[in-house]
Amino acid sequence: GQSLEQPSEVTAVEGAIVQINCTYQTSGFYGLSWYQQHDGGAPTFLSYNGLDGLEETGRFSSFLSRSDSYGYLLLQELQMKDSASYFCAVNLGSSNTGKLIFGQGTTLQVKP
Amino acid sequence: DTGVSQDPRHKITKRGQNVTFRCDPISEHNRLYWYRQTLGQGPEFLTYFQNEAQLEKSRLLSDRFSAERPKGSFSTLEIQRTEQGDSAMYLCASSPTIPGGPSDTQYFGPGTRLTVL
Repeated sequence: GQSLEQPSEVTAVEGAIVQINCTYQTSGFYGLSWYQQHDGGAPTFLSYNGLDGLEETGRFSSFLSRSDSYGYLLLQELQMKDSASYFCAVNLGSSNTGKLIFGQGTTLQVKP
Repeated sequence: DTGVSQDPRHKITKRGQNVTFRCDPISEHNRLYWYRQTLGQGPEFLTYFQNEAQLEKSRLLSDRFSAERPKGSFSTLEIQRTEQGDSAMYLCASSPTIPGGPSDTQYFGPGTRLTVL
């Protein structure tokens, strides 16, 4: 089967840095994506890693180590609007269908 | 770019009834996905289209579920003889095909929330 593990909840204060980890065990692997979802909203794409290393997009960075089946999302200079659920998702398969397997999500609460 | 749209946004039905949802992807996107999401869980893959061809269907999808994308544009998801366990948010996403590259940026619609009484 496929499994992705990420913490269920993380709490941090405004202006801080938070790291959300994701480990995966899947039958295939093409890349690791991160999505943000606010309550009642649709998931929105944040970042993608197809190769090992760090990808930076503004306040958000994502890291991947394929040998460790591990990745993380780093959020810097936290703002109240960052309070949301964050999902890691693995793109399965060699045929690059784009099919995503999602983790259960990490609820981030940013406090003033 | 008007984004991915879904209709209806909410649907309440009685057990045993059939329901149909519609998804309009971003116009130039040839890949379309359906996911289901229940409270506190991540989206769960249901099925995937490339243009009008349904290329993959989750084993979790029972025979009561069927999806179409007849002209490679909008898609419909039908659930027959609904059960209370079908209550969930049904999400549609689309993505472009990048030649030689991944198509991992999926753009999600607002979802259709189904409640089966």
